[in-house]
Amino acid sequence: GDSVTQMEGPVTLSEEAFLTINCTYTATGYPSLFWYVQYPGEGLQLLLKATKADDKGSNKGFEATYRKETTSFHLEKGSVQVSDSAVYFCALKSGGGSNYKLTFGKGTLLTVNP
Amino acid sequence: DTAVSQTPKYLVTQMGNDKSIKCEQNLGHDTMYWYKQDSKKFLKIMFSYNNKELIINETVPNRFSPKSPDKAHLNLHINSLELGDSAVYFCASSPTPPGSYEQYFGPGTRLTVT
Repeated sequence: GDSVTQMEGPVTLSEEAFLTINCTYTATGYPSLFWYVQYPGEGLQLLLKATKADDKGSNKGFEATYRKETTSFHLEKGSVQVSDSAVYFCALKSGGGSNYKLTFGKGTLLTVNP
Repeated sequence: DTAVSQTPKYLVTQMGNDKSIKCEQNLGHDTMYWYKQDSKKFLKIMFSYNNKELIINETVPNRFSPKSPDKAHLNLHINSLELGDSAVYFCASSPTPPGSYEQYFGPGTRLTVT
């Protein structure tokens, strides 16, 4: 079945450091890909998405590019802030119509220190 | 205004009890979901409903019974609670595809079974 593999955390960075969180997937065809973020004590919220190969999703300074050759969707940010501390989830969409579902990776905890 | 709300936020109960978690969304979405997040933050879908009809049931024990009285509500009833049911349960909703496939999550219900 479809699956998502994320780099193991936790990741600890200093403010203004460069962030990369790796994500690779296994799926049939070319599924839509997502990054969700979960701030402490809250539910998940969509950070960015890409629906086809070579698409780049971006939001709040974060970027991820859909690479079909490497089946990857790595999350990057050039300069992290303390407020970026959260758990980040990579996900893919499988199925169609109302019968679709999101399959999530195991999440990567990011802590940014001042 | 809260988009997806859940009650209660915290639930502590003993093994063998029966409990319910309620979810409501005011986004006008047709599809709602229940997810379980374990202590390691792994997030797994349990159920999805579209317009009050069960669409996805991910081999969840029969002790878990979702009920959707209308498309704005999806409740989760759990019978004979077990220690392994301790987790954070998230409700989510999404508009009927085609669309962005973005899911909107509630704040979660932390269930502790003692």
